[in-house]
Amino acid sequence: DAKTTQPPSMDCAEGRAANLPCNHSTISGNEYVYWYRQIHSQGPQYIIHGLKNNETNEMASLIITEDRKSSTLILPHATLRDTAVYYCIVRVAGGGNKLTFGTGTQLKVEL
Amino acid sequence: GAVVSQHPSWVICKSGTSVKIECRSLDFQATTMFWYRQFPKQSLMLMATSNEGSKATYEQGVEKDKFLINHASLTLSTLTVTSAHPEDSSFYICSASPAGGNTGELFFGEGSRLTVL
Repeated sequence: DAKTTQPPSMDCAEGRAANLPCNHSTISGNEYVYWYRQIHSQGPQYIIHGLKNNETNEMASLIITEDRKSSTLILPHATLRDTAVYYCIVRVAGGGNKLTFGTGTQLKVEL
Repeated sequence: GAVVSQHPSWVICKSGTSVKIECRSLDFQATTMFWYRQFPKQSLMLMATSNEGSKATYEQGVEKDKFLINHASLTLSTLTVTSAHPEDSSFYICSASPAGGNTGELFFGEGSRLTVL
């Protein structure tokens, strides 16, 4: 699986949009971009994933650059409960394919 | 989304004893489950891939005789930490993907915190 690079930490004011960047310059054509988050002392939670088109669901939006070498996860209206470590992972789709976690971004949402 | 449940959520044991952690997919079948370990302030580290009906595949550096994995059905995988020692104290997390899913989305359990005294 391709490696990803994320900033170690970010702060965001409650109610504002949180934009979390991820670089994956060595991504292969058949690798998807997945985002998970982990709230302290809990298992990771799936957020969103995409291949090359931008994606949106009830939790977040995923913007993937045209060359697919980077992406941004957008939480449109961050709340205190969004404070967590956010992991960007690139991986070939398929249930038998493992997820390899990097160090992620610690997002802290403050009042 | 699909639900993966782990049991127990936390366990304290004496050094030298064995501890079994269960991982269940509650509303789907999973031919493959993954076991991770996470130490404080660190990321998740993949320990092994658990395949239903066959032997698990362990990551480099993980002792297969110490961390016994059994995946006897499409909804249950177990991790047994044998002869546990204080350095095995960690947060153990499993994940599973619905069989036949086309995007391979993985769902995670709540984690099991093991403390070895």
